[in-house]
Amino acid sequence: QKEVEQDPGPLSVPEGAIVSLNCTYSNSAFQYFMWYRQYSRKGPELLMYTYSSGNKEDGRFTAQVDKSSKYISLFIRDSQPSDSATYLCVSYNFNKFYFGSGTKLNVKP
Amino acid sequence: NAGVMQNPRHLVRRRGQEARLRCSPMKGHSHVYWYRQLPEEGLKFMVYLQKENIIDESGMPKERFSAEFPKEGPSILRIQQVVRGDSAAYFCASSPTKETQYFGPGTRLLVL
Repeated sequence: QKEVEQDPGPLSVPEGAIVSLNCTYSNSAFQYFMWYRQYSRKGPELLMYTYSSGNKEDGRFTAQVDKSSKYISLFIRDSQPSDSATYLCVSYNFNKFYFGSGTKLNVKP
Repeated sequence: NAGVMQNPRHLVRRRGQEARLRCSPMKGHSHVYWYRQLPEEGLKFMVYLQKENIIDESGMPKERFSAEFPKEGPSILRIQQVVRGDSAAYFCASSPTKETQYFGPGTRLLVL
């Protein structure tokens, strides 16, 4: 079992929709969680960083961690075509970063 | 504060040549990670370095690949005697602490 599992998609939504991206992780010791956005042929860009459980909001983005179910979510409100990219969930533990395989999102105008 | 810099952005090599990829971390960052990404695939960890030390090289192929992060200057990922299978995007990330990281734009290596 991979340490971080993520549905690869692709996920296609209309402009303005609320997008929910999800990951699960296997190691209950994981405390640090990140979401990255990667546009085609570009480097990943850090979107959100959370520690332990709870919610964190930044503009249209909300990151949520539920440690009891080992579930990580990223919500995008009022999605825009410019949000079309691959989204990576990542966890950190003891000098190692564990990457999900990425979910490809397409927001249609 | 400039972001993570990588050069060259594109590199073409013939089989058997050496490829040298450079990464300048963000100012104040002392942790550097290298990743490889094949088209339509996820990021694969290669190596984690701090200044003058290799901390974790568990993702590095045993032969032909090496990495360094000297006291002065950029981190270097070196691939000797490149083969076609080495063609990929190589990303460097730097970190101020340890729990998060910022990526560079990548170097796209093409081996002919």
